[in-house]
Amino acid sequence: SYVLTQPPSVSVAPGQTASITCGGDNIGSTSVHWYQQKPGQAPVLVIYYDSDRPAGIPERFSGSNSGNTATLTISRVEAGDEADYFCQVWERNSRHYVFGTGTKVTVL
Amino acid sequence: QVQLVESGGGLVKPGGSLRLSCEASGFTFSACYMSWIRQAPGKGLEWVSYINTGGTTMYYGDSVKGRFTISRDNAKNSLYLQMDSLRDEDTAVYYCARADVAVAGADAFDVWGQGTMVTVSS
Repeated sequence: SYVLTQPPSVSVAPGQTASITCGGDNIGSTSVHWYQQKPGQAPVLVIYYDSDRPAGIPERFSGSNSGNTATLTISRVEAGDEADYFCQVWERNSRHYVFGTGTKVTVL
Repeated sequence: QVQLVESGGGLVKPGGSLRLSCEASGFTFSACYMSWIRQAPGKGLEWVSYINTGGTTMYYGDSVKGRFTISRDNAKNSLYLQMDSLRDEDTAVYYCARADVAVAGADAFDVWGQGTMVTVSS
């Protein structure tokens, strides 16, 4: 089965940039979506199709995808960005949706 | 407003059954692909099942295939998950989520419900 690997945690100071990676075999050949989940809440889509932002998501959130790694970048990090972040793809061979292992972002 | 509301969760013994429901409002339910996604306590997200707009194509995760059945009733704006032969490891919050091609494409879940807790324990 297809595996998406994320670092368990990322720490960043307010105002700095956080980069969250999502590794998968040739992930660059498929579309990656990213979700933010705060404690006790449902996930929220923050990036779709590698780099598109849904309405209402700040421009500080951006994404890229190439080769074996997709990246979610949060610029000018704020305290409110502290959350778990998950990447996700549609794996066409198995007809499965696959989520990454998740990354906890801590704002110092 | 656009909303998904799950119900039907609860405590069930191993080997038992449970039926989850998800009621949609504020959007054209019949035009959206729907999925169930679960999250065990303190763990990550796990996709469970998918159903297409007409209810004719369904996919299942490996851990639930043969035990869970997804269905929908477009006339009632509702999604269902019949869960049979439940195991301890099925304990999780179960979310329903939509994929609206017109909003974020066919593969991204742009609206989620608040989730319903399923606990499998003797």
